[in-house]
Amino acid sequence: AQSVTQLGSHVSVSEGALVLLRCNYSSSVPPYLFWYVQYPNQGLQLLLKYTSAATLVKGINGFEAEFKKSETSFHLTKPSAHMSDAAEYFCAVSGYSSASKIIFGSGTRLSIRP
Amino acid sequence: DTEVTQTPKHLVMGMTNKKSLKCEQHMGHRAMYWYKQKAKKPPELMFVYSYEKLSINESVPSRFSPECPNSSLLNLHLHALQPEDSALYLCASSYGRGTEAFFGQGTRLTVV
Repeated sequence: AQSVTQLGSHVSVSEGALVLLRCNYSSSVPPYLFWYVQYPNQGLQLLLKYTSAATLVKGINGFEAEFKKSETSFHLTKPSAHMSDAAEYFCAVSGYSSASKIIFGSGTRLSIRP
Repeated sequence: DTEVTQTPKHLVMGMTNKKSLKCEQHMGHRAMYWYKQKAKKPPELMFVYSYEKLSINESVPSRFSPECPNSSLLNLHLHALQPEDSALYLCASSYGRGTEAFFGQGTRLTVV
């Protein structure tokens, strides 16, 4: 079964600092991978997705992620954190069947210090 | 139109009530999903519909009954719920295999 593991339930960075949120996947074949963001009391918004076209994926709001097969990782980064980036971030994985499950990691809460 | 619309936004119901959650999308997506999210937890998959047929049921109690009347609508019928069923219920849709899901804003359900 496919799954993702997010390391660190809470990450705190200073405004302007690098953001790094970690995600490792477990799959026998390269899966489809996603990063979503959730602001309080709202639904989930897609930040970016990996679908094997390119290993470095750029998303919205300045975020990007790199797919590394050798490390089974798909970490999310942003060069310079902004106060508005404070939210819950979920890594998610999907498989190849026609109506695939989209399974979420446990989430990482990102806090930004002024 | 890239929206998934859920109604109502908030719902308070007693344990003997019957209520329904509604979800609508007009993106031509053929897969639709119900997720349950408890506070400070990730969304948990409940049901998946593919081409209007139930394809995945994650062993959800029968007090939750999904329905897909057509390709744009998804309902979740609720009956005899328990207080522990209080959560944010999220609807999502996608084109299916390997594509991203678009989420609604959710229904905040409180069972009293």
